[in-house]
Amino acid sequence: GDSVTQTEGLVTVTEGLPVKLNCTYQTTYLTIAFFWYVQYLNEAPQVLLKSSTDNKRTEHQGFHATLHKSSSSFHLQKSSAQLSDSALYYCALSDYSNNRIFFGDGTQLVVKP
Amino acid sequence: GPKVLQIPSHQIIDMGQMVTLNCDPVSNHLYFYWYKQILGQQMEFLVNFYNGKVMEKSKLFKDQFSVERPDGSYFTLKIQPTALEDSAVYFCASSPNTDQDTQYFGPGTRLLVL
Repeated sequence: GDSVTQTEGLVTVTEGLPVKLNCTYQTTYLTIAFFWYVQYLNEAPQVLLKSSTDNKRTEHQGFHATLHKSSSSFHLQKSSAQLSDSALYYCALSDYSNNRIFFGDGTQLVVKP
Repeated sequence: GPKVLQIPSHQIIDMGQMVTLNCDPVSNHLYFYWYKQILGQQMEFLVNFYNGKVMEKSKLFKDQFSVERPDGSYFTLKIQPTALEDSAVYFCASSPNTDQDTQYFGPGTRLLVL
């Protein structure tokens, strides 16, 4: 079956410095879509990025991610972290066979002044 | 963006009682989902629903759980009877179609079972 792995449960970074949240996956399907969802404290998760094209950079709100099927990865990056970026980030995968999205365990990002 | 509404925002009930969580999905969406998030933990899939039927459910979707969406009304999650371990935030989500569509989440219902 499908699975998504986020290796870091907690990432702490100083404001203004770059940040990278790791996401790798396993799937037997060729046609897949990937998402990064962000969940701010006491709010609902909301989609941050979506991609289904190999080796194409996707950007939104200063964050970017590139799907690399060769390494089964979809890491989330930002060149300069902001205090307001502190939140829980979920990497997620969807394939054509399911009507569901497989979420990773989530990475809590804390941006310090 | 599209809005999913959930009613109530908070619910406190005694163990063993029945509770119904209501979701008003985005109007033209066809697929509906429930997720459970225990305080401090990750969000976990419970069930998805399409065309009046459960398509897939996880092991967290116990026999005490049921979902339905009568025509034109809310998509509901009913727990009967409730247990202490059912205390969590329950998120509803909907998507326009299958095929890797983005899911839009409601604000959640915070359920506390005493």
